[in-house]
Amino acid sequence: QKEVEQNSGPLSVPEGAIASLNCTYSDRGSQSFFWYRQYSGKSPELIMFIYSNGDKEDGRFTAQLNKASQYVSLLIRDSQPSDSATYLCAVRSNSGYALNFGKGTSLLVTP
Amino acid sequence: ETGVTQSPTHLIKTRGQQVTLRCSSQSGHNTVSWYQQALGQGPQFIFQYYREEENGRGNFPPRFSGLQFPNYSSELNVNALELDDSALYLCASSSDLGIGELFFGEGSRLTVL
Repeated sequence: QKEVEQNSGPLSVPEGAIASLNCTYSDRGSQSFFWYRQYSGKSPELIMFIYSNGDKEDGRFTAQLNKASQYVSLLIRDSQPSDSATYLCAVRSNSGYALNFGKGTSLLVTP
Repeated sequence: ETGVTQSPTHLIKTRGQQVTLRCSSQSGHNTVSWYQQALGQGPQFIFQYYREEENGRGNFPPRFSGLQFPNYSSELNVNALELDDSALYLCASSSDLGIGELFFGEGSRLTVL
């Protein structure tokens, strides 16, 4: 079973702080990594994807990938109350098309 | 707004009934994937269709079936509904056999009583 693990949270951070969300995966053949944001009752919304080791920045978001340690993280700088949501980590292996999702981490940004 | 539309948005069925969910893919996309998201869980891959053929399937029983039409829209059919089928059903389309980013529609929330 190819696992994607996330801490369910809730992770609580004050407004303006950096939120750090982590994800580990078991399949060493994984090649593509995605972060989705999901508001309650809504569908997942793609925030970022990363394919190569290192950091990838997009506005307030930074994705970090370490294939040797099999983890991927998402940093949210200057967190806003509107960032309060569940963040889903998804992984795709080299051998398939399906995304394998973690259960998500609930983030709460307090004013 | 991803351009992927799903219908119906909400529906209620009873055990043993059958349901059909529909998805219109984003313009230019020829690949459609379906996912099931139970409450408190991440989405689980059901299957994928590429150019009207199923080309990948997750760990779901045969009573979950699908179709893709020449215009690349798709249907998900579930027969003999069970209580555990209650979930948000998500459709995603892409233009490259699903190897790139997936953009989801708003989902169809199914409740089985």
